[in-house]
Amino acid sequence: NAGVTQTPKFRILKIGQSMTLQCTQDMNHNYMYWYRQDPGMGLKLIYYSVGAGITDKGEVPNGYNVSRSTTEDFPLRLELAAPSQTSVYFCASIPDRGFTEAFFGQGTRLTVV
Amino acid sequence: AQKVTQAQTEISVVEKEDVTLDCVYETRDTTYYLFWYKQPPSGELVFLIRRNSFDEQNEISGRYSWNFQKSTSSFNFTITASQVVDSAVYFCALSDPTNAGKSTFGDGTTLTVKP
Repeated sequence: NAGVTQTPKFRILKIGQSMTLQCTQDMNHNYMYWYRQDPGMGLKLIYYSVGAGITDKGEVPNGYNVSRSTTEDFPLRLELAAPSQTSVYFCASIPDRGFTEAFFGQGTRLTVV
Repeated sequence: AQKVTQAQTEISVVEKEDVTLDCVYETRDTTYYLFWYKQPPSGELVFLIRRNSFDEQNEISGRYSWNFQKSTSSFNFTITASQVVDSAVYFCALSDPTNAGKSTFGDGTTLTVKP
């Protein structure tokens, strides 16, 4: 059981470039989340989805876009990368709103130079 | 708005000492969830515990114990007889029970356990 898989694990982007962070879960979870973790800080919610075709903004959505065309996949798109988006990105999923444990991916470390 | 405060930025102890990590939260919700996560140096997030706001029973799991006090809005975490492998960043988090994965995290406490 792979759980939540994020790709890539590391990436360096130049200012103004775009990229998509991939997140896939094989547990048939309805709820999925994208968080970012800046150095020395806790996680902040970027976007989340409660099911295929449904997404909503979190605390820090500016500069990002998401889509949820399938239950399994929840990609995060960065348009016009900026140094402020240098961070570690975590994807997470839960089966439903009353879960007992969140399943996190291993994280993607992104540096924008 | 929800807020989680972990006032202890860094704690250093010697192996076998007991250590308590503090967590204070703010929320207007009458029901909510509280969590603790561990982030070892390798970077992944490890779920430790979830507590419902209506369940104030303290919990013990091996060397770990949690003290939830609704009256003081605190959810403290104690490691008994600490070990070097406990060295990590520990996060406390708070979430709305209507969307439990939508969490507000504290900034974390870095625990270093020295041999």
